[in-house]
Amino acid sequence: QKEVEQNSGPLSVPEGAIASLNCTYSDRGSQSFFWYRQYSGKSPELIMSIYSNGDKEDGRFTAQLNKASQYVSLLIRDSQPSDSATYLCALYPYSSASKIIFGSGTRLSIRP
Amino acid sequence: GAVVSQHPSWVICKSGTSVKIECRSLDFQATTMFWYRQFPKQSLMLMATSNEGSKATYEQGVEKDKFLINHASLTLSTLTVTSAHPEDSSFYICSARPPTGPLFGYTFGSGTRLTVV
Repeated sequence: QKEVEQNSGPLSVPEGAIASLNCTYSDRGSQSFFWYRQYSGKSPELIMSIYSNGDKEDGRFTAQLNKASQYVSLLIRDSQPSDSATYLCALYPYSSASKIIFGSGTRLSIRP
Repeated sequence: GAVVSQHPSWVICKSGTSVKIECRSLDFQATTMFWYRQFPKQSLMLMATSNEGSKATYEQGVEKDKFLINHASLTLSTLTVTSAHPEDSSFYICSARPPTGPLFGYTFGSGTRLTVV
């Protein structure tokens, strides 16, 4: 089992709708969780971090963390074509606090 | 804050030559930096962890003698691709973690697209 699992997509969402991206992880001791956005041909950009169970909102983005169920999700409200990118889920596993583990990413496409 | 600068952004080199890529943390000191490689439409692959003042730690399957890493100061790590071949053509990205605790994510450089002809 991979440490961080994401559906590779592509996930196609109409413009203006809510895009929901999910990620599950295997290490129960995982601490900090991150969502990165990567446009084609560019390097990843950190867009959200979450450390506690529950929701964390930042503009159109909401990160949700459920440690009991070992999943973290990212909701994008009012999706725009500019949100089309690959979204990487990442975390610090308890056993290796200095190195982030990345998922393979979910490709999101917002259709006009 | 927490800016990582990577240079060059793209490079074309002839097969058999060496290429050096620089990664600098501009506004913080980074004792550890990370080097990734990414092929088109594939996920990030961690190549090595660069440690200031000591040897880099390479991931399994990454050739140490081919991908030379030097982390001589707290703000600069370099990756040298030696005797480059067309199969080394890829997107190389460095990252560092601002020293504000283990709970903060990496900041990535803008990446270097290497093409070996």
